[in-house]
Amino acid sequence: DQQVKQNSPSLSVQEGRISILNCDYTNSMFDYFLWYKKYPAEGPTFLISISSIKDKNEDGRFTVFLNKSAKHLSLHIVPSQPGDSAVYLCAASDANAGKSTFGDGTTLTVKP
Amino acid sequence: KAGVTQTPRYLIKTRGQQVTLSCSPISGHRSVSWYQQTPGQGLQFLFEYFSETQRNKGNFPGRFSGRQFSNSRSEMNVSTLELGDSALYLCASSLGPGSKETQYFGPGTRLLVL
Repeated sequence: DQQVKQNSPSLSVQEGRISILNCDYTNSMFDYFLWYKKYPAEGPTFLISISSIKDKNEDGRFTVFLNKSAKHLSLHIVPSQPGDSAVYLCAASDANAGKSTFGDGTTLTVKP
Repeated sequence: KAGVTQTPRYLIKTRGQQVTLSCSPISGHRSVSWYQQTPGQGLQFLFEYFSETQRNKGNFPGRFSGRQFSNSRSEMNVSTLELGDSALYLCASSLGPGSKETQYFGPGTRLLVL
């Protein structure tokens, strides 16, 4: 049973446009959510996080939105740049488990 | 600060052998977690160590084990290797244990089992 799902394996957007990456979760105990960026043959790099007590967190071009009732979060990148092309991993954790559960990732391609 | 380092970066073994992978966390970080990444399964949590104690363990067979030393460096061991163990093994460190600590990942060790 996959508790964190990224249903879109890939996304392609034009440079300058908005990229929206989605993530759904099933475990209502999750209270902290993170997005990581990953290049091939490298480890993931932390991007942005959000606590379940918030519904939005912004950091520069990156904004994460959390909809707890829908068990859904999304990462918005505005404006998208070619250097944003990578795999984006959604992760969720709960205080009791003390570990992160990752989605399978969405490959973002930003075309110049 | 230096990042998380993992050695070796690449490894080729044959079925039945055993392997030990090493992870040095960021200086000052006391928690180390290990993940397995395969094309079909994504990142799967293996275990987490803090202060030389295993805090959490994922759903992997007993062939997978780990330990943490007093300097926070960690090793993971896989015995009796199987073809399906071929994967990228990632180590992540954080200041402390728990779900809200940001994890910093190393580059991984690519293991190929023939």
